[in-house]
Amino acid sequence: SAVISQKPSRDICQRGTSLTIQCQVDSQVTMMFWYRQQPGQSLTLIATANQGSEATYESGFVIDKFPISRPNLTFSTLTVSNMSPEDSSIYLCSALGGSTDTQYFGPGTRLTVL
Amino acid sequence: EDKVVQSPLSLVVHEGDTVTLNCSYEVTNFRSLLWYKQEKKAPTFLFMLTSSGIEKKSGRLSSILDKKELFSILNITATQTGDSAIYLCAVFEGGKLIFGQGTELSVKP
Repeated sequence: SAVISQKPSRDICQRGTSLTIQCQVDSQVTMMFWYRQQPGQSLTLIATANQGSEATYESGFVIDKFPISRPNLTFSTLTVSNMSPEDSSIYLCSALGGSTDTQYFGPGTRLTVL
Repeated sequence: EDKVVQSPLSLVVHEGDTVTLNCSYEVTNFRSLLWYKQEKKAPTFLFMLTSSGIEKKSGRLSSILDKKELFSILNITATQTGDSAIYLCAVFEGGKLIFGQGTELSVKP
């Protein structure tokens, strides 16, 4: 299994600012993903982070709001731009590697926007 | 539209009870179904199911998949307070996981 770390673990931010969340995997993985979990809701996929190319965004999510980088096979960042209180959520990084469909999740970043 | 539906949405039981959580799905290109337990932030992996009728078991937890009827169940026997969590079902389809709403399980002493 892959061990995934994220930082920061939590942050409180002001409206209009941006926050970059980092995700590090302890081994090379084929795919990395970013999810959002709003209070009381299930996980919603924001995008698939592609190594060496632009991320693939799900419906309702755009690159200008959630720019993603993946410079190598073990690291990715998600930026939440021009934040509003509606962006208050847990943001989760996950990774898929090897020959199975098992996705492992990082510990999450709890973001509160005031 | 692809979807994953879990039931019940919430459940309160007492220690020692047995619970069954349900997950039904409608997806175009099913590959596998996964169960996760979420206590605080990060979902932790429980099971991955790809074949019908083969039970996966880990301690007091077990799960089985029915690809004909498009559902899976997660059983927890002799529940403990530490089993209190949100249980998430997800289907791997088209290169990504589609999550259900989750079942919030509360186990009372």
